[in-house]
Amino acid sequence: DAGVTQSPTHLIKTRGQQVTLRCSPISGHKSVSWYQQVLGQGPQFIFQYYEKEERGRGNFPDRFSARQFPNYSSELNVNALLLGDSALYLCASSLFVSKDYEQYFGPGTRLTVT
Amino acid sequence: AQSVAQPEDQVNVAEGNPLTVKCTYSVSGNPYLFWYVQYPNRGLQFLLKYITGDNLVKGSYGFEAEFNKSQTSFHLKKPSALVSDSALYFCATTFYTDKLIFGTGTRLQVFP
Repeated sequence: DAGVTQSPTHLIKTRGQQVTLRCSPISGHKSVSWYQQVLGQGPQFIFQYYEKEERGRGNFPDRFSARQFPNYSSELNVNALLLGDSALYLCASSLFVSKDYEQYFGPGTRLTVT
Repeated sequence: AQSVAQPEDQVNVAEGNPLTVKCTYSVSGNPYLFWYVQYPNRGLQFLLKYITGDNLVKGSYGFEAEFNKSQTSFHLKKPSALVSDSALYFCATTFYTDKLIFGTGTRLQVFP
């Protein structure tokens, strides 16, 4: 079975632009979470979506938004990009209802803001 | 608030020697603890988890972790290190949600 997939792999944007990142979960997984990993740090939680509803939000500004589609794939949008948004963006999927909170991560999208 | 700490930025070990990567936790209630590994230009790979039960948890690739409630620690161990184990290791916790809280990471370098 395919794991979590993310697109694009790499992305270069300029300050002020908007970006959309995409994620497809493991088949059967209905929960998708997004994390931001700045170089040299651990991943930071941004959002969790389950059954197309937002179930959790981290400490990120309103420039960050996300949604989940009926097929459980997800998009993360970031508006008005800042240099500090440069990071590896990770998507993770899980069964969620199993209550073991074991998540499976995709390879990430490397975003560079210039 | 839930948190984990990884006190070592880097751990160096010779191939064939045992390795330990340290993690301490601060959580309310019963801890859910995880170890993930990240190879260069890759996402995170799940190694093992502790929810309840035996204090020694066995995981992927020969890794294991020891849960110690009195010392609030969850150290990752392997009896014999391989060069291919060289990577970035993250300890994480959660409080009954999919929101994982990660430590700052420890870079493991295994020398031939």
